[in-house]
Amino acid sequence: GQSLEQPSEVTAVEGAIVQINCTYQTSGFYGLSWYQQHDGGAPTFLSYNGLDGLEETGRFSSFLSRSDSYGYLLLQELQMKDSASYFCAVTSSNTGKLIFGQGTTLQVKP
Amino acid sequence: GAVVSQHPSRVICKSGTSVKIECRSLDFQATTMFWYRQFPKQSLMLMATSNEGSKATYEQGVEKDKFLINHASLTLSTLTVTSAHPEDSSFYICSAGVMERSTDTQYFGPGTRLTVL
Repeated sequence: GQSLEQPSEVTAVEGAIVQINCTYQTSGFYGLSWYQQHDGGAPTFLSYNGLDGLEETGRFSSFLSRSDSYGYLLLQELQMKDSASYFCAVTSSNTGKLIFGQGTTLQVKP
Repeated sequence: GAVVSQHPSRVICKSGTSVKIECRSLDFQATTMFWYRQFPKQSLMLMATSNEGSKATYEQGVEKDKFLINHASLTLSTLTVTSAHPEDSSFYICSAGVMERSTDTQYFGPGTRLTVL
């Protein structure tokens, strides 16, 4: 089967750094993406890793290790507005088909 | 940036009726669009991959006769939920891959919340 594992909930305080891990087991792998979704909204693209290493985009960074089938999303200088669900997703074929993890609910506290 | 719209944003219908949801790419052409369903507090589940000018590819367990997908142009895909029942109530989201760029980034529409009474 195909599966992505990520923690269900994470809590952190404003200004802190939080890391959300994702391990995957899929029949095909082209890359790992991260999406943010606020309650009632649609997912918005945050980051993509096609190769091993770290990708940095502002306060958000994402890391991939293909040999370990593992990646993470790092959020720095947390703000209250970062409270949302975060999904890792694997591009499993050259059609661009995404397989999503179950999502991590991040709660940022003052 | 790439913008995807969906219409309607919210629909309430009676059991047994059919509902059509439109997904449009506004500033780019999308050879491939994807349809997802999301139940409350759950992840996005891919329903089907829609390719312009050809039949959609449905995921295992998704009834193709119930969820009709048409991708008539490079900017429009439609999902019709036929003979809707309360268990079809969900958040339906489309996404589009950008033709000129890597397909590794998908742009999502704002979603359509369907409630079947």
